[in-house]
Amino acid sequence: QLVESGGGVVQPGRSLRLSCAASDSSFSSYAMFWLRQAPGKGLQWVAVISYHGTNKYYADSVKGRFTISRDNSENTVYLQMDSLRVEDTAVYYCARRNNGSPDYWGQGTLVTVSS
Amino acid sequence: DNVMIQTPLSSPVTLGQSASISCRSSQSPVHSDGNTYLSWLHQRPGQPPRLLIYKVSNRFSGVPDRFSGSGAGTEFTLKISRVEAEDVGIYYCMQAAQLPHTFGQGTKLEIK
Repeated sequence: QLVESGGGVVQPGRSLRLSCAASDSSFSSYAMFWLRQAPGKGLQWVAVISYHGTNKYYADSVKGRFTISRDNSENTVYLQMDSLRVEDTAVYYCARRNNGSPDYWGQGTLVTVSS
Repeated sequence: DNVMIQTPLSSPVTLGQSASISCRSSQSPVHSDGNTYLSWLHQRPGQPPRLLIYKVSNRFSGVPDRFSGSGAGTEFTLKISRVEAEDVGIYYCMQAAQLPHTFGQGTKLEIK
C-alpha cells in the first residue's frame, strides 16, 4: 500500500514537499515513480528514483525545480517541489516501478497552485 | 520524446462484445536491456490508474483473462473480450523504455 501526503493549495513560486509512505518492507528493493494528472487531463510521468536512490530522472517540465528522494529506512519517497507554477496543478501519484511498469499506485494527493 | 498515439479516443461498446484499442509509438519501446516496456493501464472516474498489462502482453496480478495485450515494433493493441460494466473508464498505454516515459492520450471506453 502506498499513501501520499503533503498536497494543498500554494501560491506560484512557493514550495511544497510530497511524501509517499509504503507499508511493505520490500519498498527498498524497487525504483519508485512520481506521476501526475492535471484536472480533466491525461497522465504525465514526473520523475523516477532507483531503489538505492542514486539514479534520478525528471521530466523536462520539472527539471531543476523538483527533486525526488527516498529514505529506505522509513519506506518513504519524497518529491520536493520548488518554484511552483500554475501549470503544476494536478493530482500527484506515487507508484512502484516493477518490470518497467507502475504496478502499485497510491490514491494521489492534490496540489493546487494558485494566487 | 517517444510520442504515444492511441486510437480510437472514444469507444462505445455493447456489453458482452469485444473492444480493441491501438497504441502507436514514434520509437520502438525496446530498452537497452532487451525488454519492451509497453504497459496498459485503466482508470475509473475518481480512482487512481491500475496496471493491466506490462511488457506488451503480461497480465498483472488479478487482471481477468478477458484482457490481452499484443504487438511489436511500434504497434500495440489492448483487447478486451466480453466487455463488462466495470470496464468503463479511460485506458492508457505507456512506454518506459526511454526517458522521458510517456503516455498515450487515453481512450474512453463507454457502454452503448
